[in-house]
Amino acid sequence: SQTIHQWPATLVQPVGSPLSLECTVEGTSNPNLYWYRQAAGRGLQLLFYSVGIGQISSEVPQNLSASRPQDRQFILSSKKLLLSDSGFYLCAWSIRTSGIEYFGPGTRLTVT
Amino acid sequence: SQQGEEDPQALSIQEGENATMNCSYKTSINNLQWYRQNSGRGLVHLILIRSNEREKHSGRLRVTLDTSKKSSSLLITASRAADTASYFCATDAWNTDKLIFGTGTRLQVFP
Repeated sequence: SQTIHQWPATLVQPVGSPLSLECTVEGTSNPNLYWYRQAAGRGLQLLFYSVGIGQISSEVPQNLSASRPQDRQFILSSKKLLLSDSGFYLCAWSIRTSGIEYFGPGTRLTVT
Repeated sequence: SQQGEEDPQALSIQEGENATMNCSYKTSINNLQWYRQNSGRGLVHLILIRSNEREKHSGRLRVTLDTSKKSSSLLITASRAADTASYFCATDAWNTDKLIFGTGTRLQVFP
């Protein structure tokens, strides 16, 4: 069966520090991968998605970047965090033909 | 934007009552999905309805889709306290691999 992992679960970082959030998927090949951010009590904002290794589409210009170094690994990064980067970050995967997305447990990021 | 809008934003009911949430969207779709999110957790897929379907059932869930009005509704029958969560609709963006999520309805079911 398929499993998606995200870590860390929570993170408190100072303004100006770097960020690296990792997401890995098990039990499937060539998934589409997604990074979302969710502000408190709000809907999901798609940040990046990837249909293959090295292929990244950015949805919103911002202080973040994404990379997909391996088929089932998706990394969200920042060189210098801003206060506005605080939020709940969710990784998801899908099989292209199904359209259904499967979400990880999320990372709660607080920038202080 | 294509983002869906859920209505109401928040809903409080007693156990055993039915809960109805509505979703409106703006552009043509292939399918529409509903997801559930417990507080502080990831989203969980509930049900998918295709653009050529008008109604679909899954257990206590009933979803309707009216493509002429660009709207959908999710009905949870005989609600339970465990149904307390936020519910989101999501539509596929035409010819892309993305979903567009709505703003969500926060459902509180009191025992």
